[in-house]
Amino acid sequence: NAGVTQTPKFRVLKTGQSMTLLCAQDMNHEYMYWYRQDPGMGLRLIHYSVGEGTTAKGEVPDGYNVSRLKKQNFLLGLESAAPSQTSVYFCASSYSPQPAQYFGPGTRLTVL
Amino acid sequence: TQLLEQSPQFLSIQEGENLTVYCNSSSVFSSLQWYRQEPGEGPVLLVTVVTGGEVKKLKRLTFQFGDARKDSSLHITAAQPGDTGLYLCAGASLRAGTALIFGKGTTLSVSS
Repeated sequence: NAGVTQTPKFRVLKTGQSMTLLCAQDMNHEYMYWYRQDPGMGLRLIHYSVGEGTTAKGEVPDGYNVSRLKKQNFLLGLESAAPSQTSVYFCASSYSPQPAQYFGPGTRLTVL
Repeated sequence: TQLLEQSPQFLSIQEGENLTVYCNSSSVFSSLQWYRQEPGEGPVLLVTVVTGGEVKKLKRLTFQFGDARKDSSLHITAAQPGDTGLYLCAGASLRAGTALIFGKGTTLSVSS
């Protein structure tokens, strides 16, 4: 099992550009999450999904959109990137909302 | 809003020393998890504590959940350089269906 994988690992964008981050899990988990991690701020939840076809807002959803068309995939989109979105993005999945979450290796995004 | 406060934020010690990291809240949690994150990787679950007063041991790491389920501690005995990393606590709300709440983390550096 690969667990949780994220694509790409690194990306540099210019302000105003768009991009999509892909998260895939092979553990048949119902719940999937997108976090951003910034120095001194810890992990902050952007959006999450409780199952295929469903999404919900987390703590810091503005400027991001998500889709969960397939159970194993969770996409995070930035329509018009801003320097404030420079961060490390982590995807995670779990069987249900509260027990252990399994994290991907992260995507380091820089917006110039 | 539920918050988890971790202390200390940074800890730099010599190999062989003991240390304790604290995770405190004014809210009650149904369970609490500890994760460890190494540079360039995603967090990895170390332990979940569920019962008030519960103590779990993982080799040289001892985890305790407070009697009132509002706080937790992580004690490392005879720290080694391999223990270096970011330690995160995460609480599960009593409200079903809600996501985990993460503390901001404790960065531990163990030098030989």
